[in-house]
Amino acid sequence: AQKITQTQPGMFVQEKEAVTLDCTYDTSDQSYGLFWYKQPSSGEMIFLIYQGSYDEQNATEGRYSLNFQKARKSANLVISASQLGDSAMYFCAMREVYSGGSNYKLTFGKGTLLTVNP
Amino acid sequence: DSGVTQTPKHLITATGQRVTLRCSPRSGDLSVYWYQQSLDQGLQFLIQYYNGEERAKGNILERFSAQQFPDLHSELNLSSLELGDSALYFCASSVGGIGDNEQFFGPGTRLTVL
Repeated sequence: AQKITQTQPGMFVQEKEAVTLDCTYDTSDQSYGLFWYKQPSSGEMIFLIYQGSYDEQNATEGRYSLNFQKARKSANLVISASQLGDSAMYFCAMREVYSGGSNYKLTFGKGTLLTVNP
Repeated sequence: DSGVTQTPKHLITATGQRVTLRCSPRSGDLSVYWYQQSLDQGLQFLIQYYNGEERAKGNILERFSAQQFPDLHSELNLSSLELGDSALYFCASSVGGIGDNEQFFGPGTRLTVL
């Protein structure tokens, strides 16, 4: 079974600094995908970034980048130039493919609560 | 705004009751997923539908059921409710098919069972 581990229950960062949120995963699949979602206090889940297991380059989306180290089975999220609005819960998730690859579900970690201080 | 809508936003009910949560996927999306987020269990996958057919079940209780209608909206039915069913229920949708990478989440329905 797939497993996602986020070892940091909470993180603090100063505004304008960079922060790394850790995520390790465990899977026996050769093909898989890793996601990061942001959940503000309002509750909605916001998709941030995706990394496929066969992607050779680390994914980037604006201020978000994913530090993918396949051999270590880690997929850390790096947020550059933190903003006050980045304060939220962040979830790492892994895609489990089934039905011949045409469908998948997400397995989530426990999350990391990021607080950005002014 | 993800384009996924869920109603109602909040629901308060009593133990033993039955409720129905509704989800409308993004335009063009064929897959609908239901997730439950609770303090003790975290975010858990419940069930997935693709173009009206059930595709997979996760940690969904027998008291819970779901369906996807021809217009692709989906409903999650929760019956014989218990205090432990209090949670945030998310619906997500995706295009579906090979290479589908993103699930877009609705705002959630917060269920409180008293």
